[in-house]
Amino acid sequence: SQQGEEDPQALSIQEGENATMNCSYKTSINNLQWYRQNSGRGLVHLILIRSNEREKHSGRLRVTLDTSKKSSSLLITASRAADTASYFCVTGSSNTGKLIFGQGTTLQVKP
Amino acid sequence: DAGVIQSPRHEVTEMGQEVTLRCKPISGHNSLFWYRQTMMRGLELLIYFNNNVPIDDSGMPEDRFSAKMPNASFSTLKIQPSEPRDSAVYFCASSFLAIDSYEQYFGPGTRLTVT
Repeated sequence: SQQGEEDPQALSIQEGENATMNCSYKTSINNLQWYRQNSGRGLVHLILIRSNEREKHSGRLRVTLDTSKKSSSLLITASRAADTASYFCVTGSSNTGKLIFGQGTTLQVKP
Repeated sequence: DAGVIQSPRHEVTEMGQEVTLRCKPISGHNSLFWYRQTMMRGLELLIYFNNNVPIDDSGMPEDRFSAKMPNASFSTLKIQPSEPRDSAVYFCASSFLAIDSYEQYFGPGTRLTVT
C-alpha cells in the first residue's frame, strides 16, 4: 500500500509555536501531497512536493521529503488558532490520479 | 469558479430508503472521486472516474452502492437500500489529471444519517 501514515495522531500547541507533523509511506512515489481538513468540511490541498525535491515552502508551511527514508514532514511556523484542523499526508498514482489518505494528524492550536 | 458542488448537504433517511447524492465537479476537470469518511474508518475512496468512465470501483462497499457519471459536469452516488452503517460524510472531489499534476479539489460533503 502507498498509504501515508502520520505521526503524531494528535498534537496540541499554543498559538505562536511551531507544529511539526511527520509522515511515512511504503512504496516509491512520484510526489507527495499534504491536505488540511477543518472540522466538518472538505479537504483542502496545501502543498505538493515532487520526488526530486527535498524541501518546499508555501507561506508558513515548510515540507520536507526524504525518499531514502520514505518520509515527509510538514512544519507550520508561528501557528494560529485557525490552523486547528486535521492534516493528511497523501500519496498516489500519477497515472490514474488515485490518492490514498492516511488517518491524519489532528492539530489543536490553543489561543 | 464555484468549486465542487455537492447536494444535499445533509440527508436524514430511514433504513431501507434509497439515497441519491449529487456532485458537480469543477468545469474542465477530467477526474472525479467519491469518498466516504467516518470516525472509525477514516477517509475511504469508493470509486473514481476518468473522462466520465469508471476506472476503479473496488472501494464500493457492496452492491447496494452504485455511481454514475452521465456527463462531465454531473455525477451521482446512490445507495439502495440504505442501512444505518452507511451513515457517514460523503465527499466528492475532482481534479485535472495531467502528468505529475493531480491535486484534488473537494466539495463540502454530504452528511448522511440513516436511522
